Amino acid sequence: GQQLNQSPQSMFIQEGEDVSMNCTSSSIFNTWLWYKQDPGEGPVLLIALYKAGELTSNGRLTAQFGITRKDSFLNISASIPSDVGIYFCAGQRETSGSRLTFGEGTQLTVNP
Amino acid sequence: DGGITQSPKYLFRKEGQNVTLSCEQNLNHDAMYWYRQDPGQGLRLIYYSQIVNDFQKGDIAEGYSVSREKKESFPLTVTSAQKNPTAFYLCASRTTSGGTQYFGPGTRLLVL
Repeated sequence: GQQLNQSPQSMFIQEGEDVSMNCTSSSIFNTWLWYKQDPGEGPVLLIALYKAGELTSNGRLTAQFGITRKDSFLNISASIPSDVGIYFCAGQRETSGSRLTFGEGTQLTVNP
Repeated sequence: DGGITQSPKYLFRKEGQNVTLSCEQNLNHDAMYWYRQDPGQGLRLIYYSQIVNDFQKGDIAEGYSVSREKKESFPLTVTSAQKNPTAFYLCASRTTSGGTQYFGPGTRLLVL
């Protein structure tokens, strides 16, 4: 199945810095989701976006559904050590039923 | 507690052996999914089921089988035909109306 193009693949930052990651596709999506996965655990939903242009926050996290419906970004402000993990974007297309397409993930490392 | 449970956390398979991974949810979700995750990679869909007694192949169904006899349960069998079964297996579920999938804690399968 088609993968979303997620970038960057990895990030190494200092505690307190802001982080930005994004996903792009050549296809149109009607839902964008952002998950975080800790080592050895299942992904946990961070933010869900259902409308083009939508900007949603969850604490220090902010995500946007691109106006073209082909991209989304996630920002983390004032990073802390517990932000370490893998962040995945996922999109649902109108033609795919309930199936999601996943990005390959962004590995985030936060140095104290 | 409502949620998705997967068991066991770790599973060992001998060559030529079939093994079954359990996934149970008490969220009253209609749809359930199985994904495979390899190190440093995103999630790939194995099988999914949108209603009881019905399921569809995902992108990498070869060597796997599933059943959906009850709404709460969606077991995955890794057959001896799957030549490279070592991976982290994730189960997910969602309602038919919502786009968000929720994940279980995962099962790590290792081949002896």
